[in-house]
Amino acid sequence: NAGVTQTPKFQVLKTGQSMTLQCAQDMNHEYMSWYRQDPGMGLRLIHYSVGAGITDQGEVPNGYNVSRSTTEDFPLRLLSAAPSQTSVYFCASSSLTGNSNQPQHFGDGTRLSIL
Amino acid sequence: AQKVTQAQTEISVVEKEDVTLDCVYETRDTTYYLFWYKQPPSGELVFLIRRNSFDEQNEISGRYSWNFQKSTSSFNFTITASQVVDSAVYFCALKLRGAQKLVFGQGTRLTINP
Repeated sequence: NAGVTQTPKFQVLKTGQSMTLQCAQDMNHEYMSWYRQDPGMGLRLIHYSVGAGITDQGEVPNGYNVSRSTTEDFPLRLLSAAPSQTSVYFCASSSLTGNSNQPQHFGDGTRLSIL
Repeated sequence: AQKVTQAQTEISVVEKEDVTLDCVYETRDTTYYLFWYKQPPSGELVFLIRRNSFDEQNEISGRYSWNFQKSTSSFNFTITASQVVDSAVYFCALKLRGAQKLVFGQGTRLTINP
């Protein structure tokens, strides 16, 4: 069972370049989200989605775009990379059944460096 | 607004010692959920436990135990007889009923020395 799969695992970009971080889950989870992890700041929510065709902003959405065309996939796009976006990015998913008490399952992360 | 505070940035102990990781949360909601995640050196995030706000029973799972106290808004995590494999960053997180957003604490880096 693959769970949440993120690609690539590592990426180095130059300032101004664009790229897409891929995230796929095979658990039929309605909810998917992207977090960034920076030293001393825990994980901060970038964007999230509660189903195909529905996305919303999290705590730190600037500089990032998302779309949700299928239940399985939730790519994160950096349109013009900036050094401040150097971080480790995590994708997560969870079921929406129950009263919000379902744990989120995380991918292994993408370590992104912007030069 | 919701907030989770893990005041201990780093903890270092010798193997077999007991260690407690503190987590204090803030919310005005009466129904919420608390989580602990482990991030080992390999980098992935591993779900450890979930606790509902209406269930104040402590929980024990092997060497791990969790103490939830609504009176002090705390959800502390204790590792008994620590092992080197317990070395990791541990995150406490809060989620409100009806919401999916997880609010994370800053994390505590735990190092178990042989």
